[in-house]
Order: sequence, then structure tokens, then C-alpha cells
Amino acid sequence: GQQVMQIPQYQHVQEGEDFTTYCNSSTTLSNIQWYKQRPGGHPVFLIQLVKSGEVKKQKRLTFQFGEAKKNSSLHITATQTTDVGTYFCAGRAGNQFYFGTGTSLTVIP
Amino acid sequence: GAVVSQHPSWVICKSGTSVKIECRSLDFQATTMFWYRQFPKQSLMLMATSNEGSKATYEQGVEKDKFLINHASLTLSTLTVTSAHPEDSSFYICSARPQGVGYEQYFGPGTRLTVT
Repeated sequence: GQQVMQIPQYQHVQEGEDFTTYCNSSTTLSNIQWYKQRPGGHPVFLIQLVKSGEVKKQKRLTFQFGEAKKNSSLHITATQTTDVGTYFCAGRAGNQFYFGTGTSLTVIP
Repeated sequence: GAVVSQHPSWVICKSGTSVKIECRSLDFQATTMFWYRQFPKQSLMLMATSNEGSKATYEQGVEKDKFLINHASLTLSTLTVTSAHPEDSSFYICSARPQGVGYEQYFGPGTRLTVT
């Protein structure tokens, strides 16, 4: 069945290093959303991408939606301790909305 | 701004009883609210999309007679878990999309339901 997988599942980085999480869907998505969930907190919406090949930036965060609309990535430049949390992608395929498996980011000071 | 509250924050109920969870947008109007379920250390699962004044749209595999959703006003949506069973124990989170504002949605703090 339809799956939205994220890699890596866990990532430890030294503060200042870059971080990337990849989101891959088995079928085409009409859109892709990204969320951040801090430990013990609730998800926070980051962004939505709709167009094939779309790239959006939010300060140190860069989001991409693949040409085939089946994958996406979130790249954080020069991580900070405040970036700690789990990053989820999510998207709609047909009449079903799927959340990715999440990437848990730990930033070592 | 853009605060979403949920009530109660946690609830314990006996098997066979029903539980109602409220989701309120405190400082904005939301024509659309979403209900999610999250299992420990797992991703969110969208259960249903709730539109003010109309019937909720349920995701595939979610029993609409089991999880009753009502979105009676632009600031309130409720989820009622009917005839709860231990397997319904979970963390339920709602989110609300501000009226007329793109795709952004704001999440509530969640409700921990334990069915004994």
C-alpha cells in the first residue's frame, strides 16, 4: 500500500553542521507539507509545497518538492540546538492523507 | 496569536463509555479543523477533516460511527469516541486552519485518552 518513508530515522549532528531529511512516497502526491514536533510537544506546521520542482526557503531551512511529486527534502543549514525535534513530511495522494515516518534530529552543542 | 486549545488534556474512561474531546481556536476563526491520532513514538495519522456546518470527511479506514465529529461553529470542533475500547487509547490531536489563510494549520496540545 501507499507509504511515505523518511530517511534517516534518526540523525545526530554537531551544532553548526548541516542536516537533511528526505521524504519518499510510493505514489504521486498532490502536495507536501512539513511539520516539526519538539520532544513532548505538538506538531508545528512549517510549510506546504504544491508545484513540481518547487523550492522554498525559510531562513536556514530549504524545502524542495521533487519533479515527479513523489519526494521532498528539508535541508537545515548550520543547525542550532533549537532545531532539535522530529520533522515529519505529509502529503495527500488521492483521497488519503499520509504522514511520513519522521526524522528525529539531535543537535549536539 | 493562532492558539488552539483542547479539552480535556487527558481522560481515563471505562470500556464501553463514550468520551468527547473539544478543540477550540481561541483567537481566530477556522472553517476547517483536522483530527489526528498519534501512537507512541509514531507519526501522526489523519483521522478526519472537519468543515464548519457540514459533515466531516473521514480518511480511509476510520470508522465514522465510532469517531463522531461535529464542527458546529467557526471556533469549535468536537470528537466523540463512542463505545470506547482499550485499543482506542491514544493521543488525539486537533489542528485548525484559519479562515482564508492558505494552508497553514495550528495544532492543539493534544488529549491523552486511556480506556480501561
